Amino acid sequence: GQQVMQIPQYQHVQEGEDFTTYCNSSTTLSNIQWYKQRPGGHPVFLIQLVKSGEVKKQKRLTFQFGEAKKNSSLHITATQTTDVGTYFCAGSISSASKIIFGSGTRLSIRP
Amino acid sequence: ETGVTQSPTHLIKTRGQQVTLRCSSQSGHNTVSWYQQALGQGPQFIFQYYREEENGRGNFPPRFSGLQFPNYSSELNVNALELDDSALYLCASSLERGLNTEAFFGQGTRLTVV
Repeated sequence: GQQVMQIPQYQHVQEGEDFTTYCNSSTTLSNIQWYKQRPGGHPVFLIQLVKSGEVKKQKRLTFQFGEAKKNSSLHITATQTTDVGTYFCAGSISSASKIIFGSGTRLSIRP
Repeated sequence: ETGVTQSPTHLIKTRGQQVTLRCSSQSGHNTVSWYQQALGQGPQFIFQYYREEENGRGNFPPRFSGLQFPNYSSELNVNALELDDSALYLCASSLERGLNTEAFFGQGTRLTVV
């Protein structure tokens, strides 16, 4: 069936280091969204990418959507302790009227 | 806070029982989606409701059903509960139907089936 794989599962970095999480879909996506979930919290929307090859930036966060609309990445430059949490990608498949979340990448940071 | 409220926050049920979870969407939002999130996993899409009708469904059996009311609040009903149904159930509301709009999540209902 349709799947969205996300790697790595965990990432532990020193504060100030960069962080990247990758998302790969078995199916071409209509769009991809990224969410952040703090421990014990709920997912919070970060951004949506729609166009092939799209790149969007939010301060230290850079989001990319692949040319084939099957993969995406989130890169955080110079991590801070406030970046701690689990980052999920979520791909939409319009033809199937469903959205599929990746399994998430949990980011922890050493001060 | 997103303005999406869910009740109850925690619930314990026995295998075979039925459960109803409730969600009030953010003001002005006419679309509600429900998700199941097992521990350490990403949310799994159950279904979406737009103006009281189902508008997309994930791979969940028919014992997972839902309702949306004229005020756009929603219920998730699960019949014949199984142990594997233990999870965090999240409701998310959005301004438009479909799967390409920003979703605002509630805090969730933690369901434990024993």
